[in-house]
Amino acid sequence: NAGVTQTPKFQVLKTGQSMTLQCAQDMNHNSMYWYRQDPGMGLRLIYYSASEGTTDKGEVPNGYNVSRLNKREFSLRLESAAPSQTSVYFCASSEFRGQGGEQYFGPGTRLTVT
Amino acid sequence: SQQGEEDPQALSIQEGENATMNCSYKTSINNLQWYRQNSGRGLVHLILIRSNEREKHSGRLRVTLDTSKKSSSLLITASRAADTASYFCATVSGANSKLTFGKGITLSVRP
Repeated sequence: NAGVTQTPKFQVLKTGQSMTLQCAQDMNHNSMYWYRQDPGMGLRLIYYSASEGTTDKGEVPNGYNVSRLNKREFSLRLESAAPSQTSVYFCASSEFRGQGGEQYFGPGTRLTVT
Repeated sequence: SQQGEEDPQALSIQEGENATMNCSYKTSINNLQWYRQNSGRGLVHLILIRSNEREKHSGRLRVTLDTSKKSSSLLITASRAADTASYFCATVSGANSKLTFGKGITLSVRP
């Protein structure tokens, strides 16, 4: 099993450009999550999906949109990138419906917005 | 907002020594989890302890939970250089089981 996979691994964008970060899991998990990690800030939840067809905002949703395409895939879109969105983005999944169970993380996407 | 606060922020020990990391939180919890993150990698779940549990073990890891003091500790016994990583506590609280990560502890184990 590959677990949680993310693409791309690295990305550089100019301010105002858009892009979609892809995430897929092969563990048949119900819930999926997008986090951002910034130095000294820990991980902050952007959006999550407790089941196929549902999405909910996390702590820092502004400037992002998500799509739970099917049970396996959960994408994160930046419509108009800003330098403040420079960060490392992690996707995670969990068998638990909601946020409370153990989560399995992907390797991350390092995004730089210039 | 951060629920779990880890202490110390950084810890450096010799291989073979024990490492103790602490996490304090403010509101009552459903469970508390510890994760490890190696440099440049994603987080790996280590252990989950429920609010009605006081201690759990997993290999060289021992986690305690004191709900009266709103604190948890992670003990790594007989540390190895491969234990060098950042360690995060994450608290789950509220009716919607919101999970919140702390800022992490950087552990360095010197060979």
